Amino acid sequence: NAGVMQNPRHLVRRRGQEARLRCSPMKGHSHVYWYRQLPEEGLKFMVYLQKENIIDESGMPKERFSAEFPKEGPSILRIQQVVRGDSAAYFCASSPVGGRRTSDGYTFGSGTRLTVV
Amino acid sequence: DAKTTQPPSMDCAEGRAANLPCNHSTISGNEYVYWYRQIHSQGPQYIIHGLKNNETNEMASLIITEDRKSSTLILPHATLRDTAVYYCIVRVGSNDYKLSFGAGTTVTVRA
Repeated sequence: NAGVMQNPRHLVRRRGQEARLRCSPMKGHSHVYWYRQLPEEGLKFMVYLQKENIIDESGMPKERFSAEFPKEGPSILRIQQVVRGDSAAYFCASSPVGGRRTSDGYTFGSGTRLTVV
Repeated sequence: DAKTTQPPSMDCAEGRAANLPCNHSTISGNEYVYWYRQIHSQGPQYIIHGLKNNETNEMASLIITEDRKSSTLILPHATLRDTAVYYCIVRVGSNDYKLSFGAGTTVTVRA
């Protein structure tokens, strides 16, 4: 039973390029959450998605960042025109259908480490 | 913003118990205390949670003070693989999806 799969594990982009981070939730999970972890800091919530819907994007920067979770395929976090300050680890988590969660709450992936040069 | 405070770091000898304190003096009556840990280069891993009673599972024990303003996570027999950053979080049950991570406590287990 595969866990939450994120790819790539490491991504290097030049300033001004686009970064696309992918997240495949656990089987049977239809809720996806993205978090960002800047160096030496804790994780910060970015966005909560269900299939084809954004439920809460209160933690997303207003510009250059977008997220989607299509009916088919993984969730995508997209960062346009990356800047050095976007360098961070981006973690995805998933939870089961219907909002009913186990005591474990989330299951996190291993993250994508974005480096902007 | 995180509603908990933790010491930034602590060392522990392998095989000994590690006691990790957390202060959550503004916790609300309906908020649980959750603990996660993050081993280097991995995502956070759930450890344990509790409301007001002490809890124990295969990983750790959680002791919550009677006034619920602080708690202690106990790793009974620390191993080198327990070296990680440990986060104490308060949340309104497992349906509270917006986790607020502070800086956590970096625990280093030494042989």
